[in-house]
Amino acid sequence: DAKTTQPNSMESNEEEPVHLPCNHSTISGTDYIHWYRQLPSQGPEYVIHGLTSNVNNRMASLAIAEDRKSSTLILHRATLRDAAVYYCTTTYNFNKFYFGSGTKLNVKP
Amino acid sequence: KAGVTQTPRYLIKTRGQQVTLSCSPISGHRSVSWYQQTPGQGLQFLFEYFSETQRNKGNFPGRFSGRQFSNSRSEMNVSTLELGDSALYLCASSDGPGGNTEAFFGQGTRLTVV
Repeated sequence: DAKTTQPNSMESNEEEPVHLPCNHSTISGTDYIHWYRQLPSQGPEYVIHGLTSNVNNRMASLAIAEDRKSSTLILHRATLRDAAVYYCTTTYNFNKFYFGSGTKLNVKP
Repeated sequence: KAGVTQTPRYLIKTRGQQVTLSCSPISGHRSVSWYQQTPGQGLQFLFEYFSETQRNKGNFPGRFSGRQFSNSRSEMNVSTLELGDSALYLCASSDGPGGNTEAFFGQGTRLTVV
């Protein structure tokens, strides 16, 4: 499983886009890239995942670099409810994730 | 569809005791994994079960064990509790082997060892 590196914290204004970067330079060709977020006193919540192509869902978009060594989670319009710790992780074929320290996102009104 | 249910939500135990935590996955999910979360170490993978078989194990001592039943419900056990075992224990279920499927986490069990 690839080690992931994320900035410790980021700040955004409400209703503006947020780009959360993640470096996973040791990722193998078959590893999926997952993003989860965790609000205080709650378990992590699935955000999005992908393998090679960019992915979109109702919550966010995932942009994956061509060499797959990095990815960016994009929240198109941040709301106060998006304030959380965001984790980027990779996994091959198992419900097994190694989480780094994540990025704490602060959203300012 | 009910989410992942973990019981109990809170637990206080004394050093040296043992504890059993329970996780009921989403109906139909066959994979259950367990994590320990502490302020110092963050979220750490404990083990993963699929169809009653442990497929993966994290770097934890043998005092930490688990099992999965035929109905996919899972339990984890910690024996000879230490103060450092105080943590939030989370379980996650998914409907496939993993990788290309999302994991759903429970609210966790907050264990305090005194």
